[in-house]
Amino acid sequence: DAGVIQSPRHEVTEMGQEVTLRCKPISGHNSLFWYRQTMMRGLELLIYFNNNVPIDDSGMPEDRFSAKMPNASFSTLKIQPSEPRDSAVYFCASSLTSVETQYFGPGTRLLVL
Amino acid sequence: QQQVKQSPQSLIVQKGGISIINCAYENTAFDYFPWYQQFPGKGPALLIAIRPDVSEKKEGRFTISFNKSAKQFSLHIMDSQPGDSATYFCAASDSGTYKYIFGTGTRLKVLA
Repeated sequence: DAGVIQSPRHEVTEMGQEVTLRCKPISGHNSLFWYRQTMMRGLELLIYFNNNVPIDDSGMPEDRFSAKMPNASFSTLKIQPSEPRDSAVYFCASSLTSVETQYFGPGTRLLVL
Repeated sequence: QQQVKQSPQSLIVQKGGISIINCAYENTAFDYFPWYQQFPGKGPALLIAIRPDVSEKKEGRFTISFNKSAKQFSLHIMDSQPGDSATYFCAASDSGTYKYIFGTGTRLKVLA
Protein backbone atom coordinates (compact mmCIF):
# COMPACT_ATOMS: atom_id res chain seq x y z
CA ASP A 1 0.00 0.00 0.00
CA ALA A 2 1.17 3.54 -0.67
CA GLY A 3 0.58 4.67 2.88
CA VAL A 4 -1.10 7.90 3.87
CA ILE A 5 -0.66 10.55 1.20
CA GLN A 6 -0.62 14.25 1.97
CA SER A 7 -0.40 17.28 -0.26
CA PRO A 8 1.12 19.71 -0.60
CA ARG A 9 4.32 18.77 1.21
CA HIS A 10 5.25 22.40 1.71
CA GLU A 11 3.10 25.50 1.69
CA VAL A 12 4.18 29.09 2.08
CA THR A 13 1.44 31.68 2.22
CA GLU A 14 0.78 35.14 3.48
CA MET A 15 -1.28 36.02 6.48
CA GLY A 16 -4.95 36.23 5.65
CA GLN A 17 -4.85 33.74 2.83
CA GLU A 18 -6.83 30.51 2.75
CA VAL A 19 -4.86 27.30 3.07
CA THR A 20 -6.16 23.84 2.19
CA LEU A 21 -4.30 20.70 3.18
CA ARG A 22 -5.23 17.37 1.66
CA CYS A 23 -5.04 13.78 2.85
CA LYS A 24 -5.67 10.38 1.34
CA PRO A 25 -5.82 7.70 4.04
CA ILE A 26 -4.75 4.10 3.61
CA SER A 27 -7.39 2.19 1.70
CA GLY A 28 -9.72 0.31 4.01
CA HIS A 29 -8.95 2.42 7.07
CA ASN A 30 -12.08 3.85 8.63
CA SER A 31 -10.46 6.28 11.06
CA LEU A 32 -8.66 9.47 10.12
CA PHE A 33 -6.82 11.94 12.31
CA TRP A 34 -5.38 15.41 11.74
CA TYR A 35 -2.47 16.43 13.96
CA ARG A 36 -0.40 19.56 14.28
CA GLN A 37 3.24 19.43 15.36
CA THR A 38 5.17 22.38 16.74
CA MET A 39 8.30 22.63 18.81
CA MET A 40 6.40 24.27 21.64
CA ARG A 41 3.37 22.01 21.83
CA GLY A 42 4.53 18.75 20.27
CA LEU A 43 1.94 16.58 18.53
CA GLU A 44 -1.62 17.77 19.04
CA LEU A 45 -4.73 16.02 17.79
CA LEU A 46 -6.90 18.49 15.93
CA ILE A 47 -9.80 16.35 14.74
CA TYR A 48 -10.81 12.70 14.43
CA PHE A 49 -13.12 11.18 11.82
CA ASN A 50 -14.70 7.75 11.98
CA ASN A 51 -16.40 6.41 8.86
CA ASN A 52 -16.16 9.91 7.34
CA VAL A 53 -17.99 11.50 10.27
CA PRO A 54 -16.25 14.01 12.55
CA ILE A 55 -16.31 12.53 16.03
CA ASP A 56 -14.04 14.81 18.01
CA ASP A 57 -13.02 18.28 16.90
CA SER A 58 -12.15 19.55 20.36
CA GLY A 59 -8.55 20.08 19.29
CA MET A 60 -9.37 22.47 16.49
CA PRO A 61 -7.85 25.71 17.73
CA GLU A 62 -10.51 28.12 16.53
CA ASP A 63 -13.19 28.76 13.99
CA ARG A 64 -10.60 29.57 11.38
CA PHE A 65 -9.91 25.85 11.15
CA SER A 66 -12.29 23.46 9.47
CA ALA A 67 -12.01 19.87 8.25
CA LYS A 68 -14.07 17.72 5.96
CA MET A 69 -14.10 14.12 4.86
CA PRO A 70 -16.46 13.84 1.89
CA ASN A 71 -15.61 10.18 1.29
CA ALA A 72 -13.48 7.38 2.67
CA SER A 73 -10.48 8.26 0.56
CA PHE A 74 -10.15 12.01 0.98
CA SER A 75 -10.03 14.62 3.70
CA THR A 76 -9.17 18.30 3.82
CA LEU A 77 -8.07 20.65 6.55
CA LYS A 78 -8.72 24.29 5.78
CA ILE A 79 -7.43 27.39 7.52
CA GLN A 80 -9.18 30.62 6.64
CA PRO A 81 -7.80 33.18 7.25
CA SER A 82 -4.33 31.92 8.04
CA GLU A 83 -2.12 33.56 10.65
CA PRO A 84 1.63 33.32 11.34
CA ARG A 85 0.97 31.31 14.50
CA ASP A 86 -0.55 28.57 12.33
CA SER A 87 2.92 27.80 11.01
CA ALA A 88 3.57 24.16 11.86
CA VAL A 89 3.75 20.70 10.36
CA TYR A 90 0.33 19.19 9.86
CA PHE A 91 0.04 15.42 9.79
CA CYS A 92 -2.77 13.20 8.68
CA ALA A 93 -2.95 9.69 10.11
CA SER A 94 -5.28 6.79 9.52
CA SER A 95 -6.04 3.54 11.26
CA LEU A 96 -7.98 0.41 10.41
CA THR A 97 -10.36 1.07 13.25
CA SER A 98 -10.46 3.74 15.90
CA VAL A 99 -8.44 1.65 18.34
CA GLU A 100 -5.84 0.23 15.97
CA THR A 101 -2.37 1.58 15.28
CA GLN A 102 -2.27 4.98 13.64
CA TYR A 103 -0.18 5.38 10.49
CA PHE A 104 1.06 8.85 9.73
CA GLY A 105 1.54 10.60 6.43
CA PRO A 106 4.68 12.58 5.59
CA GLY A 107 3.13 15.85 6.71
CA THR A 108 2.60 19.30 5.25
CA ARG A 109 5.01 21.97 6.41
CA LEU A 110 3.07 25.22 6.54
CA LEU A 111 4.69 28.63 6.82
CA VAL A 112 2.44 31.66 7.13
CA LEU A 113 4.30 34.91 6.60
CA GLN B 1 -3.65 12.81 34.52
CA GLN B 2 -3.70 12.62 30.74
CA GLN B 3 -0.05 13.51 30.36
CA VAL B 4 2.76 11.25 29.28
CA LYS B 5 6.10 12.51 30.54
CA GLN B 6 9.09 11.64 28.39
CA SER B 7 12.78 11.99 29.17
CA PRO B 8 15.40 12.89 28.28
CA GLN B 9 14.64 15.65 25.81
CA SER B 10 17.81 14.86 23.90
CA LEU B 11 20.35 12.08 23.97
CA ILE B 12 23.77 11.56 22.44
CA VAL B 13 25.11 8.03 22.27
CA GLN B 14 28.22 6.53 20.76
CA LYS B 15 27.83 4.00 17.99
CA GLY B 16 27.35 0.57 19.51
CA GLY B 17 26.05 1.95 22.77
CA ILE B 18 22.64 1.55 24.39
CA SER B 19 20.08 4.32 24.06
CA ILE B 20 17.43 4.48 26.78
CA ILE B 21 14.33 6.68 26.66
CA ASN B 22 11.83 6.74 29.48
CA CYS B 23 8.16 7.57 29.71
CA ALA B 24 5.78 7.79 32.64
CA TYR B 25 2.02 8.06 32.78
CA GLU B 26 -0.69 8.60 35.37
CA ASN B 27 -3.86 7.26 33.83
CA THR B 28 -4.24 3.62 34.83
CA ALA B 29 -6.77 3.12 32.06
CA PHE B 30 -4.01 3.34 29.48
CA ASP B 31 -3.39 -0.09 28.03
CA TYR B 32 -1.59 0.46 24.75
CA PHE B 33 1.87 2.00 24.54
CA PRO B 34 3.37 2.57 21.09
CA TRP B 35 6.71 4.11 20.27
CA TYR B 36 7.10 6.18 17.13
CA GLN B 37 10.27 7.07 15.30
CA GLN B 38 10.44 10.28 13.28
CA PHE B 39 13.19 11.25 10.88
CA PRO B 40 13.58 14.89 9.84
CA GLY B 41 11.01 15.84 7.23
CA LYS B 42 9.04 12.63 7.69
CA GLY B 43 5.97 11.59 9.59
CA PRO B 44 6.16 9.52 12.78
CA ALA B 45 6.35 5.81 12.03
CA LEU B 46 5.37 3.06 14.43
CA LEU B 47 8.48 1.39 15.79
CA ILE B 48 7.23 -1.01 18.43
CA ALA B 49 4.28 -1.23 20.80
CA ILE B 50 3.39 -3.04 24.01
CA ARG B 51 0.34 -3.86 26.04
CA PRO B 52 0.52 -4.21 29.84
CA ASP B 53 0.01 -7.97 29.85
CA VAL B 54 3.75 -8.37 29.20
CA SER B 55 6.71 -6.70 30.89
CA GLU B 56 8.99 -6.69 27.88
CA LYS B 57 8.79 -6.82 24.13
CA LYS B 58 11.75 -7.13 21.83
CA GLU B 59 11.99 -6.55 18.09
CA GLY B 60 15.49 -6.74 16.77
CA ARG B 61 17.62 -4.14 18.51
CA PHE B 62 14.58 -2.39 20.00
CA THR B 63 13.09 -3.41 23.34
CA ILE B 64 10.23 -1.95 25.34
CA SER B 65 10.33 -2.54 29.07
CA PHE B 66 7.09 -1.99 30.93
CA ASN B 67 6.59 -1.53 34.67
CA LYS B 68 2.89 -1.49 35.38
CA SER B 69 3.16 -0.79 39.10
CA ALA B 70 5.42 2.18 38.53
CA LYS B 71 3.41 3.31 35.51
CA GLN B 72 6.55 3.62 33.49
CA PHE B 73 7.80 2.25 30.21
CA SER B 74 11.03 2.65 28.36
CA LEU B 75 12.60 2.09 24.98
CA HIS B 76 16.03 0.51 24.77
CA ILE B 77 17.99 0.61 21.54
CA MET B 78 20.84 -1.87 21.67
CA ASP B 79 23.95 -1.48 19.52
CA SER B 80 22.80 2.00 18.50
CA GLN B 81 23.69 3.02 14.96
CA PRO B 82 24.00 6.43 13.29
CA GLY B 83 20.92 5.47 11.25
CA ASP B 84 18.93 5.40 14.49
CA SER B 85 19.41 9.16 14.84
CA ALA B 86 15.86 10.47 14.93
CA THR B 87 13.23 11.79 17.29
CA TYR B 88 11.41 9.17 19.31
CA PHE B 89 7.92 9.65 20.73
CA CYS B 90 6.22 7.46 23.27
CA ALA B 91 2.46 7.45 23.40
CA ALA B 92 -0.30 5.93 25.46
CA SER B 93 -3.93 5.22 24.87
CA ASP B 94 -6.91 3.55 26.36
CA SER B 95 -7.82 0.89 23.83
CA GLY B 96 -11.42 1.80 24.35
CA THR B 97 -10.74 5.16 22.74
CA TYR B 98 -8.95 6.51 19.72
CA LYS B 99 -6.97 9.21 21.45
CA TYR B 100 -3.19 8.88 21.70
CA ILE B 101 -1.42 10.94 24.31
CA PHE B 102 2.06 11.63 23.01
CA GLY B 103 5.19 12.36 24.97
CA THR B 104 7.19 15.43 24.09
CA GLY B 105 9.80 13.51 22.13
CA THR B 106 13.48 12.63 22.52
CA ARG B 107 15.97 13.69 19.93
CA LEU B 108 18.56 10.93 19.64
CA LYS B 109 21.90 11.42 17.98
CA VAL B 110 24.18 8.43 17.53
CA LEU B 111 27.78 9.39 16.86
CA ALA B 112 29.72 7.40 14.31
